[in-house]
Amino acid sequence: QSALTQPPSASGSPGQSVTISCTGTSSDVGGYNHVSWYQQHPGKAPKLMIYDVSKRPSGVPDRFSGSKSGNTASLTVSGLQAEDEADYYCASCAGINNVLFGGGTKVTVL
Amino acid sequence: EVQLVESGGGLVQPGGSLRLSCKASGFTFSSHGIHWVRQAPGKGLEWVSYIASSTTTIYYADSVKGRFTISRDNAKNSLFLQMNSLRDEDTAVYYCATSLGWFQFDSWGQGTLVTVSS
Repeated sequence: QSALTQPPSASGSPGQSVTISCTGTSSDVGGYNHVSWYQQHPGKAPKLMIYDVSKRPSGVPDRFSGSKSGNTASLTVSGLQAEDEADYYCASCAGINNVLFGGGTKVTVL
Repeated sequence: EVQLVESGGGLVQPGGSLRLSCKASGFTFSSHGIHWVRQAPGKGLEWVSYIASSTTTIYYADSVKGRFTISRDNAKNSLFLQMNSLRDEDTAVYYCATSLGWFQFDSWGQGTLVTVSS
């Protein structure tokens, strides 16, 4: 199975919104409502930002939102802040014993 | 506060073995499934293995099946990954992460670096 497809980069000015896509197939993103998103700053561990497509863990700002349409999931960061500059990875359940990650998107705050 | 601390990484020659540990605190370890996820230098994330809370269910990625063994000691709040027949492509930072269900990863450790090189 191939990795999920994410754009390598995305950018926006402070206060603007940026949306990152994550494209898979009907065997992963399209087949399960278990897409998650992770934020990773350089040299740090990943942090869960969104799970089950659109749910936010406690402590994650509501500027972060997730959605899904067909085989493509999306993460939107509204009201961009400097600290949002990081790599973002999507992941999707791909069966009872497998998970696929996206290749990652580097978000730059201009 | 949930805390996961990995250890055991280091430099090993191809074909060698290494045992990673993940010490947990701040939550009921015995009630949670746990994953190992790795990240090669400058690359993306790759799921490695999963063990259920009671060890009845264990999964491996195809890339490590037959070479790596996951285990846990609930009495010691610890998770392990025995890695044998190591290859250059196993070089990565290895993270342990708690399971949120359906292969979603909740809390993460800081990672331990494994370098396979001659």
